[in-house]
Amino acid sequence: DAKTTQPNSMESNEEEPVHLPCNHSTISGTDYIHWYRQLPSQGPEYVIHGLTSNVNNRMASLAIAEDRKSSTLILHRATLRDAAVYYCILRDVGGATNKLIFGTGTLLAVQP
Amino acid sequence: GAGVSQSPSNKVTEKGKDVELRCDPISGHTALYWYRQSLGQGLEFLIYFQGNSAPDKSGLPSDRFSAERTGGSVSTLTIQRTQQEDSAVYLCASGVFGKLFFGSGTQLSVL
Repeated sequence: DAKTTQPNSMESNEEEPVHLPCNHSTISGTDYIHWYRQLPSQGPEYVIHGLTSNVNNRMASLAIAEDRKSSTLILHRATLRDAAVYYCILRDVGGATNKLIFGTGTLLAVQP
Repeated sequence: GAGVSQSPSNKVTEKGKDVELRCDPISGHTALYWYRQSLGQGLEFLIYFQGNSAPDKSGLPSDRFSAERTGGSVSTLTIQRTQQEDSAVYLCASGVFGKLFFGSGTQLSVL
């Protein structure tokens, strides 16, 4: 399985944008890039996913590098509620299974 | 219900006892996953169901762990002869088109 690399932790101030990076240099052509987040004492929550083009939804934006070896999750205006562990995951749609392998993620702290 | 439901939310058991954890997925979701998360750790994949079959059981830690799914819906994860290292939050997720929805988990404590 292709792996991802994320910083262990990041800090942001409330109301400011946050850019969470993810490296996936061994990504294959059939790998989708997924982002989930896990708030304290809760199960993970889907944030966004994409294949090649940048994606936007009500929660965040996903910017994917042209060579697909890295991506960035963008929270446009961080709130205290965005403090969570953010996971960048690759899902191989061409494989025999659709399992998502969660790494250690990035712990985002948001300061008021 | 609107989301994935897991029961019980908390389970305390004695070492050596068997436990059953239940997951009610979102109606219509054919994919169902079990993960576990030890305190302060990341999520560990256990098993994946597509309908009633399990094409990927590679994450089950030992033969004490088993899972089944019936009617393409409810799933149970069974742990036999529980050990203290089995203590963790067990999370169930159902999904479609690669988007997973997680339940709140079952906190299992083995004394």
